[in-house]
Amino acid sequence: DAGVIQSPRHEVTEMGQEVTLRCKPISGHNSLFWYRQTMMRGLELLIYFNNNVPIDDSGMPEDRFSAKMPNASFSTLKIQPSEPRDSAVYFCASRPEVQTYGYTFGSGTRLTVV
Amino acid sequence: DAKTTQPTSMDCAEGRAANLPCNHSTISGNEYVYWYRQIHSQGPQYIIHGLKNNETNEMASLIITEDRKSSTLILPHATLRDTAVYYCIVRVSFGNEKLTFGTGTRLTIIP
Repeated sequence: DAGVIQSPRHEVTEMGQEVTLRCKPISGHNSLFWYRQTMMRGLELLIYFNNNVPIDDSGMPEDRFSAKMPNASFSTLKIQPSEPRDSAVYFCASRPEVQTYGYTFGSGTRLTVV
Repeated sequence: DAKTTQPTSMDCAEGRAANLPCNHSTISGNEYVYWYRQIHSQGPQYIIHGLKNNETNEMASLIITEDRKSSTLILPHATLRDTAVYYCIVRVSFGNEKLTFGTGTRLTIIP
């Protein structure tokens, strides 16, 4: 298994531009999580999905952020418009149906907004 | 979820056992203890979890005290590749999917 796959690995964009981060969870995993990591705030859960349905998006910082999971093998996190304070590493994680199992994280997308 | 307290940093000599403590004095009966680690520039990695019995896998051992108010993660023979930030997390097993990361313990393995 290739694990959780995120793309791109690095993204540099100008303030005001739209940014789309992508995630492919492990096949058979039915829960997907988006996290953001910064030096100041550490790892924060933004949103998670169960069976492609968004369950809790209370961590999404504001309306500029949106996430979708159109099918079991793909999710996107979009920021529009992007701001310098959105610069962070964004991680995607997935987990199988058994809720006590650990999460598998991807390698992350390092976003820099200039 | 119950809050956890971990030392900010620890050192351990290569080849020795690394013992990482975690306090979770407000843990509830239905909450599990999870350990993850994050090696520099990588995503967090799941290590082990337990409810009340001691657990062991190929990576580590987890010792949970009888009153469940604290636990210790043991890396039996630490290597330089074990240098990472280790997170102790307490979470209910059902209903709340949020895995809340604290600041963790920065473990440095000394050659």
